[in-house]
Parts: sequence; structure tokens; C-alpha cells
Amino acid sequence: GQNIDQPTEMTATEGAIVQINCTYQTSGFNGLFWYQQHAGEAPTFLSYNVLDGLEEKGRFSSFLSRSKGYSYLLLKELQMKDSASYLCAVFADYKLSFGAGTTVTVRA
Amino acid sequence: ETGVTQTPRHLVMGMTNKKSLKCEQHLGHNAMYWYKQSAKKPLELMFVYNFKEQTENNSVPSRFSPECPNSSHLFLHLHTLQPEDSALYLCASSQDDTAFVIFGQGTRLTVV
Repeated sequence: GQNIDQPTEMTATEGAIVQINCTYQTSGFNGLFWYQQHAGEAPTFLSYNVLDGLEEKGRFSSFLSRSKGYSYLLLKELQMKDSASYLCAVFADYKLSFGAGTTVTVRA
Repeated sequence: ETGVTQTPRHLVMGMTNKKSLKCEQHLGHNAMYWYKQSAKKPLELMFVYNFKEQTENNSVPSRFSPECPNSSHLFLHLHTLQPEDSALYLCASSQDDTAFVIFGQGTRLTVV
């Protein structure tokens, strides 16, 4: 399987910025995904990176460096509704493997 | 509503019970998946079906038995489960076996 590491928990203040890092070790890399999962709900797609660089989508951005086996998800202008678990997932050898998720708590 | 519907949302069962989880998708996808999500652990892929044929079984104990009667429906039959099987069971679907999966909301299973 893939070795996918991300922090367990992060806390930030409303309006702030939070960066969630994800490192992975894999062969046959085909892309990296970020999902958001609110408690008791389905994981929902946030972003997909297959080439190096930054993908921006509104308040959320995702970065990938294939040579370093590294990605991050950047959440800007945090809102209370952003409190959720964020899952890093690597698609390699046509299999999707997940990290354990990072629980982000946004405080007022 | 994600397009993938799972029932029931919550299930409590004894170790000697038999129950089934159901998943339904109306997205026109032809690949369906069962994942297990335990607290603080990565999602674990259990089974993959592509065009109704099982293409992956990740060493899942035989007390979990999947069934895929057609491309829109997927079942997970449960019998003689253990307390450590308590988890969130997520169904997902995709077009072919690409990584762009859509998840259902899951069934929260508690084995007592």
C-alpha cells in the first residue's frame, strides 16, 4: 500500500488561514485528491492535482510536488462551516489510498 | 444528496445477527466500492465491482459478503460480526475504475 501521512488535528480561528500537509510514498503515481468530510456525512471531492503546482478554487487551494511526495491543502478566510475532516488520497497503480484524515476545528 | 444512497444510516446488531447494507446509485456509473472507515484510521477499501464483476477483495473476512446484482445496486451482507467490525461503512461509485469516486453518506454500524 501507500504511506500517506497527514496531521491528526488542527485548530484555527475564524477568518484565518490553515495549511494541511500530506506526504506520501508511492510508485505509479496517477494523481492526488483532497476530500472534505463533515461528521456523519459522505466525503466530498475538493481538489485533484496530477501535475506539480498550485490549483486554486475559491477559498481552497491545493499544491503538489511529485518529486518531494508532498501536497498541501490551503484553506483561506476560514468559516465555522469549514470545521470538518480533510482526507488526502493518492491514486497510484490505479488504486485510491487514503490518509487517516486531519480534523480541522474552526473557533470563533 | 450525493447521488449515492445508502441504507440504513445507522445499524446496531448483535454478534449472532445477520443483516445487509444496501447501496444504490443513479449516476450511470459502472464501478462500485465498499470502504470501511474506523476512527482515526484511513479508509480501507474492501471490495470493488466493475460491470457487476468483483475485481478486488482486499483480504476481507468471510463474515462480510458482497453482492452486486446490477451496476446500480450493491449490497454488503453481514453475519457473525465482531465488536471490532463497528465502523462507518461507505459505498462509492465511479465511471469505470477511475479515482473520481462519489461516496454515499455511509452506514454507522455498531456490533454489540
